Amino acid sequence: QLQLQESGPGLVKPSETLSLTCTVSGGSISSSSYYWGWIRQPPGKGLEWIGSIYYSGSTYYNPSLKSRVTISVDTSKNQFSLKLSSVTAADTAVYYCARLNRIQLCPDYWGQGTLVTVSS
Amino acid sequence: DIQMTQSPSTLSASVGDRVTITCRASQSISSWLAWYQQKPGKAPKLLIYKASSLESGVPSRFSGSGSGTEFTLTISSLQPDDFATYYCQQYNSYSLTFGGGTKVEIK
Repeated sequence: QLQLQESGPGLVKPSETLSLTCTVSGGSISSSSYYWGWIRQPPGKGLEWIGSIYYSGSTYYNPSLKSRVTISVDTSKNQFSLKLSSVTAADTAVYYCARLNRIQLCPDYWGQGTLVTVSS
Repeated sequence: DIQMTQSPSTLSASVGDRVTITCRASQSISSWLAWYQQKPGKAPKLLIYKASSLESGVPSRFSGSGSGTEFTLTISSLQPDDFATYYCQQYNSYSLTFGGGTKVEIK
């Protein structure tokens, strides 16, 4: 059974960089059938796609966040990571990692999510 | 960017009701649309992909239809477990967009 688990600090100071890692178990991140992505949800609000990455390293980012986002993959550790720079309170959200079918490009497996609060 | 507009934002219904949620895209997305169910404190769950294909394990009372710019999610007979928030999501391009959500409440 595929499992995804987010990890990283739950509190980040304004202007600093948010860093999260997603560890994939029960399947290979190097599968040619899937992309891997990050999605976030501010408290009480809707879902926002942040970006996606293929095992080869090809990335696709939300244009509204592109200048601040970097997603990378480490196939040796079966992990992919998110860095979001220059954070503000508006970046406070539950951050989910997910698997996306390469053809359908819709997340079909999700991590449980991790709350990241931006506050001094 | 492709914008996704869901309606209604909130829906009150009773067990056994037929429920329909609409999602409109700002430009044609062919059939590249998915629907998700989310319960409080949980990750979203994929229900429908490619506008009308039922994800494995999802009850058949859920169905999706539409193409181009207008799509619907229908729950044929609402069950107690179905009270949740539903989101549509387009994937016509590598830039994904979610709708604002529809909360299905108990009437």
